[in-house]
Amino acid sequence: QQQVKQSPQSLIVQKGGISIINCAYENTAFDYFPWYQQFPGKGPALLIAIRPDVSEKKEGRFTISFNKSAKQFSLHIMDSQPGDSATYFCAASGGNNAGNMLTFGGGTRLMVKP
Amino acid sequence: GAGVSQSPRYKVAKRGQDVALRCDPISGHVSLFWYQQALGQGPEFLTYFQNEAQLDKSGLPSDRFFAERPEGSVSTLKIQRTQQEDSAVYLCASSLQTVLYTGELFFGEGSRLTVL
Repeated sequence: QQQVKQSPQSLIVQKGGISIINCAYENTAFDYFPWYQQFPGKGPALLIAIRPDVSEKKEGRFTISFNKSAKQFSLHIMDSQPGDSATYFCAASGGNNAGNMLTFGGGTRLMVKP
Repeated sequence: GAGVSQSPRYKVAKRGQDVALRCDPISGHVSLFWYQQALGQGPEFLTYFQNEAQLDKSGLPSDRFFAERPEGSVSTLKIQRTQQEDSAVYLCASSLQTVLYTGELFFGEGSRLTVL
């Protein structure tokens, strides 16, 4: 059962543009929502994370928007750069039995054109 | 080393062979995770250790998969009688904390297993 759905699967953005990736979850017990960035041949690396007590978190060019009632969260990359070209994964964890298990979305391949 | 180290980086096995994948977490990290990442997919949880204790193995796909962390540091993921569907990248991750949101999870570069 896919508990975290991510869209789009791929995204092409011009340099300087805004990249937006969306995720929706089903399990209302989730209470931690990180985003990971993965380059080819590398492991995922934590980019930014949010907990449900806030609706938005910003770190540099990266912003998470969180909508608890809709069970959705999104990643915005402002002023996208060619170096941002990578695969991005949303994830979620929480709940009595799975507090330390991350459930990942299917990933979004981002290409930023110069 | 400064990061999570995994070996071998690449492994080709014939169907039916046993394989062992090693993970050296960041020194002092209490929590250790194994994930399986199929081509073009997100990582999927396999198992979780807190020190030497395996607290969650709910993601192991079959009894052919076995993981251990006997001294609370290095971990080994063993797959017996490999099948083609086992072909994937196996990612190890570690964290200083025991609760995910209180500490960053650091991933290794993975071991890519190809079963012929």
